[in-house]
Amino acid sequence: QQPVQSPQAVILREGEDAVINCSSSKALYSVHWYRQKHGEAPVFLMILLKGGEQKGHDKISASFNEKKQQSSLYLTASQLSYSGTYFCGIHSGNTPLVFGKGTRLSVIA
Amino acid sequence: NAGVTQTPKFRVLKTGQSMTLLCAQDMNHEYMYWYRQDPGMGLRLIHYSVGEGTTAKGEVPDGYNVSRLKKQNFLLGLESAAPSQTSVYFCASSSGPSPQHFGDGTRLSIL
Repeated sequence: QQPVQSPQAVILREGEDAVINCSSSKALYSVHWYRQKHGEAPVFLMILLKGGEQKGHDKISASFNEKKQQSSLYLTASQLSYSGTYFCGIHSGNTPLVFGKGTRLSVIA
Repeated sequence: NAGVTQTPKFRVLKTGQSMTLLCAQDMNHEYMYWYRQDPGMGLRLIHYSVGEGTTAKGEVPDGYNVSRLKKQNFLLGLESAAPSQTSVYFCASSSGPSPQHFGDGTRLSIL
């Protein structure tokens, strides 16, 4: 079952914040976050392995709520370089990673 | 550092033709994957392999075959190409169920 990402797209001005959500109908064992710039390959951002875990990477961080079966990606003080499509991928048991449909983020000056 | 290399980068086929996409990784990863990416659909898993000589079906395996004869290579074959297989194909590899490293993709058009 493909996780559901929201919003589908968002436009920000430089310096604004954004939250991207990823939710699943199944219990989550881990959540991966990737970013893909236009015409390029997806690039790994971070992985969350257990409920309650939070991680940060520069001004991008994520949380994992095991009970709610969801994860959120937080982008703080957005920069032009943050533009791209963000994908969450989930592990539910002993199955391959399943990706969401992505959230397109556009940061404008 | 080459990482994951896909060949070819672009290809145009006619309906009914066959072809093989090659993925090579130099990171000694056990796991390898083939995805297709279509507008608005995200990344969908076609087939994957958890080690040399093993393969398994993913979410959208119909019309594709794969082989993993060597640990570093994962081949994706289209036996009789159809227009519905027009897509961008990504190969990825990982060390177990851990972060995946992606190749640059193959843009395939089937007329």
